[in-house]
Amino acid sequence: KAGVTQTPRYLIKTRGQQVTLSCSPISGHRSVSWYQQTPGQGLQFLFEYFSETQRNKGNFPGRFSGRQFSNSRSEMNVSTLELGDSALYLCASSLDRQGEKLFFGSGTQLSVL
Amino acid sequence: SQQGEEDPQALSIQEGENATMNCSYKTSINNLQWYRQNSGRGLVHLILIRSNEREKHSGRLRVTLDTSKKSSSLLITASRAADTASYFCATAAQGGSEKLVFGKGTKLTVNP
Repeated sequence: KAGVTQTPRYLIKTRGQQVTLSCSPISGHRSVSWYQQTPGQGLQFLFEYFSETQRNKGNFPGRFSGRQFSNSRSEMNVSTLELGDSALYLCASSLDRQGEKLFFGSGTQLSVL
Repeated sequence: SQQGEEDPQALSIQEGENATMNCSYKTSINNLQWYRQNSGRGLVHLILIRSNEREKHSGRLRVTLDTSKKSSSLLITASRAADTASYFCATAAQGGSEKLVFGKGTKLTVNP
């Protein structure tokens, strides 16, 4: 089975722009979670999608949004980028419950200039 | 906010030695998991221990869980240079939203 695939691997944007990141989960996995990782804050939970519905949400502003498609692929969007949004964004999938074993992608490294 | 806190933040040992990392958490949990991350890459699941389990083994890994102290430890025996990575504990809170909350990690360096 192919693993979790995240695209793109690297992104450079400027302040005020918006960005869309993509995640393809392992085949058969219906839960997709997103995390932001920074050196100072560690791994912060953004949100989780299951069967095209947002099931859990972390404490991030409304500029961070996501969605899940019927094939379980997920996208997250960050609008009006700020310098502090520079981070590694990680996607993880699991069969059906976020609290169980997660399979992570390699991440998208976003740099905001 | 972080649920789990790893200790120490950094650990440097020689190849062949054992490495022990600790994790403390705050609320009742369904399970506790350990993950490894090589520099700048995704996390890899190592082991999951449920709240009704006290110890679990997987190869050179041994995990213990003490729910009365809200703590867990990860022991890597006979370490290798390839074990150099950051190690994170993650907890799934009991009765909560089931989101997995990660600590800030322990950076392990194994010197050849």
